[in-house]
Amino acid sequence: QITLKESGPTLVKPTQTLTLTCTFSGFSLSTSGVGVGWIRQPPGKALEWLALIYWNDDKRYSPSLKSRLTITKDTSKNQVVLTMTNMDPVDTATYYCAHIPEFGEFYFDYWGQGTLVTVSS
Amino acid sequence: QSALTQPASVSGSPGQSITISCTGTSSDVGSYNLVSWYQQHPGKAPKLMIYEVSKRPSGVSNRFSGSKSGNTASLTISGLQAEDEADYYCCSYAGSSTDVVFGGGTKLTVL
Repeated sequence: QITLKESGPTLVKPTQTLTLTCTFSGFSLSTSGVGVGWIRQPPGKALEWLALIYWNDDKRYSPSLKSRLTITKDTSKNQVVLTMTNMDPVDTATYYCAHIPEFGEFYFDYWGQGTLVTVSS
Repeated sequence: QSALTQPASVSGSPGQSITISCTGTSSDVGSYNLVSWYQQHPGKAPKLMIYEVSKRPSGVSNRFSGSKSGNTASLTISGLQAEDEADYYCCSYAGSSTDVVFGGGTKLTVL
């Protein structure tokens, strides 16, 4: 049974760096083909893909946010970490991590419950 | 503005069928059979309903089906039920420079 859970601060100040952790179970990021992605959703708005990382450390970023994002994995801890620099109120959103079942697939079959991050001074 | 265009809302009566469109370009929907659809109820995480244009994950009702023609993908829900009322998002691979794009979402109302 695959589960994922996001954790991190609920409130960050403008210009600060956000660090979110996705802790998962039921799969391993050392298994060939597997990946984890991050997606966010501002209140009342659409989903926006942010980044993903595969078992082989292949990393992909949203072009519009690439300069601010870093995604890493810790296979031993079953965790994926996303950092976003220079946070702004427009980055207020629910942040989700999700499982990708196969390399070259770009769909998300299991999702975490999401964590709401508010950016405010 | 989202990369993929969806109608803001659709509605239907119980038992009817509805179709939600997802229009992209020749750089995303039109070039890859990597379109997926997600259902999201209020306050909940998205749920995968369709992947690779028309494949259903285990456990998803066969009332949900997907298709694609040119640059437009579609999600059809037949035999509408009250619990189908939710937001629906399409998603596509868009090539190695962009990777993943989502649609703006469609609110489905079951009348």
